[in-house]
Amino acid sequence: DAMVIQNPRYQVTQFGKPVTLSCSQTLNHNVMYWYQQKSSQAPKLLFHYYDKDFNNEADTPDNFQSRRPNTSFCFLDIRSPGLGDAAMYLCATSRDRSSWTYEQYFGPGTRLTVT
Amino acid sequence: LAKTTQPISMDSYEGQEVNITCSHNNIATNDYITWYQQFPSQGPRFIIQGYKTKVTNEVASLFIPADRKSSTLSLPRVSLSDTAVYYCLVVLSGNTGKLIFGQGTTLQVKP
Repeated sequence: DAMVIQNPRYQVTQFGKPVTLSCSQTLNHNVMYWYQQKSSQAPKLLFHYYDKDFNNEADTPDNFQSRRPNTSFCFLDIRSPGLGDAAMYLCATSRDRSSWTYEQYFGPGTRLTVT
Repeated sequence: LAKTTQPISMDSYEGQEVNITCSHNNIATNDYITWYQQFPSQGPRFIIQGYKTKVTNEVASLFIPADRKSSTLSLPRVSLSDTAVYYCLVVLSGNTGKLIFGQGTTLQVKP
């Protein structure tokens, strides 16, 4: 089945140690998103790629970076994780960004723990 | 941005119909209303989307009055497996790629 895959499902990193989360999709969608979801909170959009065009949210800290080397893969890099970055990180895709085709497909998430 | 307001939590029993209402007073003319469902430790899942009047699919119905300032998600005959958080979102028109999640409604279905 076509899907959004996130690896790893659980990641533990040390305070200040760079970490990379990965997302892959077999849907061949143009758009890939990264969301942060802290405990008991709603998902918060960090940034998205429309094809190779990177779109950052204004309030996303510089500590968070992303790469999309090809259509299928997208990475979230946290350069210096702090305790406040512990969260579930969700990757999502959509065919494009117009309202008509707006369904976003989410992966299962990567739960990041910072020690 | 159109802000959404929905109840924080709701309880229901198996077999009942559940209606979750969301208000979005400053929705723009070309915005759509969409609902997502999220189970614990999973990513959200699209349920339904609409612009006006009524939309129905195999999972739910979405009722949107003429003024579009609110919408109601209707889940027929809920089961225990429908226990989840339900998010109402207003999808910004145009090519913005944004989903702005509100606090969501935690639905607890009891036996």
